Amino acid sequence: QVHLVQSGAEVRKPGASVKVSCKASGLTFSNDAIHWVRQAPGQSLEWMGWINDGNGQRKYSQKFQGRVTISRDTSAKIAYMELTSLRSEDTAVYYCARVGIRTEAFDYWGQGTLVTVSS
Amino acid sequence: QPVLTQPPSVSGAPGQTVTISCTGSSSNIGARYDVHWYQQLPGTAPKLLIYGDNNRPSGVPDRFSASKTGTSASLAITGLQADDEADYYCQSYDNRWSGVVFGGGTKVTVL
Repeated sequence: QVHLVQSGAEVRKPGASVKVSCKASGLTFSNDAIHWVRQAPGQSLEWMGWINDGNGQRKYSQKFQGRVTISRDTSAKIAYMELTSLRSEDTAVYYCARVGIRTEAFDYWGQGTLVTVSS
Repeated sequence: QPVLTQPPSVSGAPGQTVTISCTGSSSNIGARYDVHWYQQLPGTAPKLLIYGDNNRPSGVPDRFSASKTGTSASLAITGLQADDEADYYCQSYDNRWSGVVFGGGTKVTVL
């Protein structure tokens, strides 16, 4: 049984940073591509970036380039997403998701982490 | 603005069929990248519904089907049920943005 369990809700002030974790179980992890997707209140899903298997290569959405860092601790099976220079528009639920090798789609998702940016 | 365009809402009576469109362009769906569909129930994470244009993961009823042609894709729900009320999102890859793109989402209401 595959599970992606994310860290709890966070509240930050504008200009601060936040780091969200995503702990995997039931999968190899070292061979899995982990993506981060966010969803602002009442809005659609928005892709932020991913870290791939093997050599840990990263790719980020142009929108978040320079503000987001995705990393992983392969031995602990944990992926991280850090977002800096937070603003109120970054208030959203942040999800980690795995891309399945067979489906090439997001077949497993974390439960989501609410990040609230407010002064 | 989402790269893929979906109608904000569709509705139907129990037992009816509803169809959700997902319109893209030559840099995503038209470039033959796979289209995937997700169902999101209120307050929960999205769930994979259709992958690779028209394939259902194990456990997804065959009431859900999808197709793709040109720069558009569509999801059909037949025999609509009350628990189909949810938001549905299409997703693909875009070579202009060099990344994953989603539709704006469609809320399905069962009348």
